[in-house]
Amino acid sequence: AQTVTQSQPEMSVQEAETVTLSCTYDTSENNYYLFWYKQPPSRQMILVIRQEAYKQQNATENRFSVNFQKAAKSFSLKISDSQLGDTAMYFCAFIPTSGTYKYIFGTGTRLKVLA
Amino acid sequence: GAGVSQSPSNKVTEKGKDVELRCDPISGHTALYWYRQSLGQGLEFLIYFQGNSAPDKSGLPSDRFSAERTGGSVSTLTIQRTQQEDSAVYLCASSLGHSQPQHFGDGTRLSIL
Repeated sequence: AQTVTQSQPEMSVQEAETVTLSCTYDTSENNYYLFWYKQPPSRQMILVIRQEAYKQQNATENRFSVNFQKAAKSFSLKISDSQLGDTAMYFCAFIPTSGTYKYIFGTGTRLKVLA
Repeated sequence: GAGVSQSPSNKVTEKGKDVELRCDPISGHTALYWYRQSLGQGLEFLIYFQGNSAPDKSGLPSDRFSAERTGGSVSTLTIQRTQQEDSAVYLCASSLGHSQPQHFGDGTRLSIL
């Protein structure tokens, strides 16, 4: 069975500091996509970053970057220069490129950025 | 509108009643997903639509749950004979295709008394 594990239910970070959220997954697939989504208290889920498994280069989006370790099945999210607006639930998600349409989401990490 | 729209935003109903939740995806998005989010849990996949067809219904928890999509656009999720364990936030998302980034609605918070 494919699973996604986020082992940190809650984290906090001081404004302007850097924080890393962990995500591990289990699959026998070789080709897949990984995502980080952010869900602020307002509830709407927003895509943060997307990584294609066949690409070795880690994806980056402004202050957000990932450390993708395919062999270790690890996909951590690094937030640099944390801002108050980064306070949210962060979900890691996985989908194979073929064979299923079912996204697997982790249980989330609640991140609080402190002023 | 420009985003995914869900209605109602909140629904309170009595146990045993039927409820219908609606999702208006982004225009041109052929892929549509329904998820359930219970308190403290991640997102639980319910069903995927490609156009009007549902190639993956594997996440529907029971035969009380059904969904349809018409005109490759609006989708409705129907829960019959609601139970208290159906209380959750139901999220809809659309995308340009399978594995493309999903755009989520604000969800419907369903409370069963």
